[in-house]
Amino acid sequence: AQTVTQSQPEMSVQEAETVTLSCTYDTSENNYYLFWYKQPPSRQMILVIRQEAYKQQNATENRFSVNFQKAAKSFSLKISDSQLGDTAMYFCAFINSGGYQKVTFGTGTKLQVIP
Amino acid sequence: DAGVTQSPTHLIKTRGQQVTLRCSPKSGHDTVSWYQQALGQGPQFIFQYYEEEERQRGNFPDRFSGHQFPNYSSELNVNALLLGDSALYLCASSGIRVGEQFFGPGTRLTVL
Repeated sequence: AQTVTQSQPEMSVQEAETVTLSCTYDTSENNYYLFWYKQPPSRQMILVIRQEAYKQQNATENRFSVNFQKAAKSFSLKISDSQLGDTAMYFCAFINSGGYQKVTFGTGTKLQVIP
Repeated sequence: DAGVTQSPTHLIKTRGQQVTLRCSPKSGHDTVSWYQQALGQGPQFIFQYYEEEERQRGNFPDRFSGHQFPNYSSELNVNALLLGDSALYLCASSGIRVGEQFFGPGTRLTVL
């Protein structure tokens, strides 16, 4: 079974600064996908960034980038130039590419962006 | 494209009652998954429907059942409600592209 661990329950960052959220995972599979989802108080789960395990290049989406270390099973999210709208719960998640797209989520990190 | 929609938004039930939650997938998606998210926790996978059949199930009791209709919409049914069933229930739809799941806004269920 796959597990996803987020060891930072809460974090805060000053507006315009950079913050990194940590995630580790455990799997015996070689092909899989990793994600960061954002869940603001409105509850809508929004996909922030997606990484395919067979790709060595780290994914980037505007101000969001990841540091994917496959051997270490680590998948951190860096948010640059933090904005007030980034305040939300952030979930690290995993899908086995050979499965039926069942998503395994971590417990989440609550990020507060301070003006 | 309306994206994934869920109804109702909120629901209050009492212990022992039964509840039905509904989900319409994003246009072009044929697979629907359901998740339970307790307060302060990450979502937990309940089950997934494809071609009107349940094809994968998480660690949830038989009180949780579902259905998928020919138009790919889906229902989640929970019987004999317990206080511990109070949670946000999320529906996600997906299509051919692996890892591309879109979530609905959720239904907040409160069991008194």
